[in-house]
Amino acid sequence: DAMVIQNPRYQVTQFGKPVTLSCSQTLNHNVMYWYQQKSSQAPKLLFHYYDKDFNNEADTPDNFQSRRPNTSFCFLDIRSPGLGDAAMYLCATASGRTYEQYFGPGTRLTVT
Amino acid sequence: EDQVTQSPEALRLQEGESSSLNCSYTVSGLRGLFWYRQDPGKGPEFLFTLYSAGEEKEKERLKATLTKKESFLHITAPKPEDSATYLCAVRITGTASKLTFGTGTRLQVTL
Repeated sequence: DAMVIQNPRYQVTQFGKPVTLSCSQTLNHNVMYWYQQKSSQAPKLLFHYYDKDFNNEADTPDNFQSRRPNTSFCFLDIRSPGLGDAAMYLCATASGRTYEQYFGPGTRLTVT
Repeated sequence: EDQVTQSPEALRLQEGESSSLNCSYTVSGLRGLFWYRQDPGKGPEFLFTLYSAGEEKEKERLKATLTKKESFLHITAPKPEDSATYLCAVRITGTASKLTFGTGTRLQVTL
């Protein structure tokens, strides 16, 4: 089945220790998104790629970076995680035609 | 300012008790309205896309409708497995690939 895969599902990191979350997709979608979601809140868009074009949200902290080496893979790097970065991180993909976003299962990040 | 508001925040139904969730929007130009279901600890699951007023879509016990100001997600004879948070999102003219999400309605269906 075509899908969006996120690894790891759970990640524990220490305050200030860099962490990388990964997302891969078999849908061959050209748009990929990273969202942060905290408890009982709507998903908050961090950035997205349309093909190789990177689009950063104005309020995304500089602490968050992303890479998309090819169509299938996208990475979220958190350079110096703070306690406030503990959240669920969601990856989504969409075709550039319908923009229906398909989400992965998420990575739950804990910062100690 | 573009806004998406969902109501109620939480809804508790008994099994078989039909109801509707509301998503109202104030946007400069609607390019699509999307409904998602999200189970605790999981990513949102795509349900429907609606593009124009009067459009309706159905899937099992769910039916989504759209007017020029709001969308409804009707749940007919719900079952406990329908318990989840239901999110709506809009794609707005000029925002390219992005969706603006509402904060969701938490639905609990009891026996």
